[in-house]
Amino acid sequence: GALVYQYPRRTICKSGTSMRMECQAVGFQATSVAWYRQSPQKTFELIALSTVNSAIKYEQNFTQEKFPISHPNLSFSSMTVLNAYLEDRGLYLCGAREGAYEQYFGPGTRLTVL
Amino acid sequence: GQQVKQSSPSLTVQEGGISILNCDYENDMFDYFAWYKKYPDNSPTLLISVRSNVDKREDGRLTVFLNKSGKHFSLHITASQPEDTAVYLCAAGQGGSAKLIFGEGTKLTVSS
Repeated sequence: GALVYQYPRRTICKSGTSMRMECQAVGFQATSVAWYRQSPQKTFELIALSTVNSAIKYEQNFTQEKFPISHPNLSFSSMTVLNAYLEDRGLYLCGAREGAYEQYFGPGTRLTVL
Repeated sequence: GQQVKQSSPSLTVQEGGISILNCDYENDMFDYFAWYKKYPDNSPTLLISVRSNVDKREDGRLTVFLNKSGKHFSLHITASQPEDTAVYLCAAGQGGSAKLIFGEGTKLTVSS
């Protein structure tokens, strides 16, 4: 079946440092990958959408300078949170989709910023 | 503004009853509508989805109803069980991409 893995599952970083999270699709081709963040007391916000052979599109309030994303092949994507501060804490989800089929989510990376 | 909205933050239903969860959306271009179930500290799990060319889809105890003219879709859970207690998120998307817009969630509690 289709599975999406994310690692690390939990991470703690000092304020002002950066951390990288990874997303791996197994059993299908992730032609489209979306990264979301759930901040405390909020729903899931879309950060950016990456589609193979297209430029990565960032949503308002999120930039490539702050959340650079790599989507080098149909099974892998990574995102880095640069200069993390308290407001960046939350659960980061990777959602991957093959064409028009269902979207599957990874278990998330929970980021704590000290 | 909120493109996908769940107006009820919580819902309590007696065991055996029907749980009805509602979702409204704004974007006419959405053509994919889904319901996800989420436990605390877990990522959302897809329950059921429907595309814009149908107005109803059933899967076991779950039924999704889509009302395109009203920009509304709902999830009905029949014979609700305590194990159905969770947060339910509706989501909508378009064009076959992984971009989904989520509602804020409705916390369903099924009491025995």
